[in-house]
Amino acid sequence: AQTVTQSQPEMSVQEAETVTLSCTYDTSESDYYLFWYKQPPSRQMILVIRQEAYKQQNATENRFSVNFQKAAKSFSLKISDSQLGDAAMYFCAYRSADTDKLIFGTGTRLQVFP
Amino acid sequence: SAVISQKPSRDICQRGTSLTIQCQVDSQVTMMFWYRQQPGQSLTLIATANQGSEATYESGFVIDKFPISRPNLTFSTLTVSNMSPEDSSIYLCSVGRGRPSYEQYFGPGTRLTVT
Repeated sequence: AQTVTQSQPEMSVQEAETVTLSCTYDTSESDYYLFWYKQPPSRQMILVIRQEAYKQQNATENRFSVNFQKAAKSFSLKISDSQLGDAAMYFCAYRSADTDKLIFGTGTRLQVFP
Repeated sequence: SAVISQKPSRDICQRGTSLTIQCQVDSQVTMMFWYRQQPGQSLTLIATANQGSEATYESGFVIDKFPISRPNLTFSTLTVSNMSPEDSSIYLCSVGRGRPSYEQYFGPGTRLTVT
């Protein structure tokens, strides 16, 4: 069975600085997708970024980028120029290519200080 | 993406009662899902709501406890039956297009407290 591990329960960063959130996963599959979701205090889960396992190039969305290391089964999220609005719970998620089921990590709570 | 609404946004219910949560999407979607997020925990998939047929439940979740309906491509309901305090959670609806869904988008969630 696939598992997703986020080893950092909490992280903090100063406004305008850069922070990296870690995620590792375990799978025997070769074709899958990885996601980072953001859940602010409002509870609304927001898709931040997506990475296809077959793509070697790391995904980027504005200030958000990932470091996808397939051999190491690592999928970290880098937030550049952090803003107060980035404060939230961040969840890493895995999905096999042939199913709909998302498997989530336990989350990392990010605090952003002015 | 899609605009997803859930009703109610929160509720406090007594032990032994049932609550039905509604999920409405602003456009037709192939897939609808229900997740549970227990206090301070991650999200766990309860079931996939299938249009016109019975929902597909994940291990540990049963139809008698969590009956689901999906009468059309924009609407689904989840009922939490015979509630106990252990059912206190946030229940989230998500949707996707395609099968399997390339991306899933989540509703705002329903916070349920059972006393």
